[in-house]
Amino acid sequence: EPEVTQTPSHQVTQMGQEVILRCVPISNHLYFYWYRQILGQKVEFLVSFYNNEISEKSEIFDDQFSVERPDGSNFTLKIRSTKLEDSAMYFCASSVRWPNSNQPQHFGDGTRLSIL
Amino acid sequence: DQQVKQNSPSLSVQEGRISILNCDYTNSMFDYFLWYKKYPAEGPTFLISISSIKDKNEDGRFTVFLNKSAKHLSLHIVPSQPGDSAVYFCAASVDRDDKIIFGKGTRLHILP
Repeated sequence: EPEVTQTPSHQVTQMGQEVILRCVPISNHLYFYWYRQILGQKVEFLVSFYNNEISEKSEIFDDQFSVERPDGSNFTLKIRSTKLEDSAMYFCASSVRWPNSNQPQHFGDGTRLSIL
Repeated sequence: DQQVKQNSPSLSVQEGRISILNCDYTNSMFDYFLWYKKYPAEGPTFLISISSIKDKNEDGRFTVFLNKSAKHLSLHIVPSQPGDSAVYFCAASVDRDDKIIFGKGTRLHILP
């Protein structure tokens, strides 16, 4: 079964540094998402991306965050200047446009981001 | 702003018995409800969904019930198996391709 793959599985970064989290969505999917889960809290929506532009973003997704689909297969999340509170598990997800599928968003296994 | 609420952080059920996980929501615009299952060190895995025009959806051992008037849904697992031990997230969206709003999750322990 096709999977969403995320790299790296764990990223340790100094506060203030830039970090890029990478995702390879399922190949025929058209909608892409980033979510995060701070330890002990719920999974929160960050941003959705369709047709090479942001469809929707949450309040969390401020100017320090950006997303890109640089080459038609990868989908990246960049945090420009990391803060301690950015430490979390970041999940990438993708989906096929309704009504072509009953399947909702498929999630990757996440990247654990630790800010020191 | 808890639009999707799972009030039980954990639940223990004997193997072979029925597990019932509950979820409440506040946003009447939600049109699509989902349950995801999550093991440690893995991402959420889709389990079952239901659209707002239905009140029940069944897939093998898993059944989801939706009560729109009460803004409540539940997931029934019968019979419960050891591999069902995981965190279960109730989730909802306004449209199928829209962002998913998650509850905090319920940790299910299946006891031998």
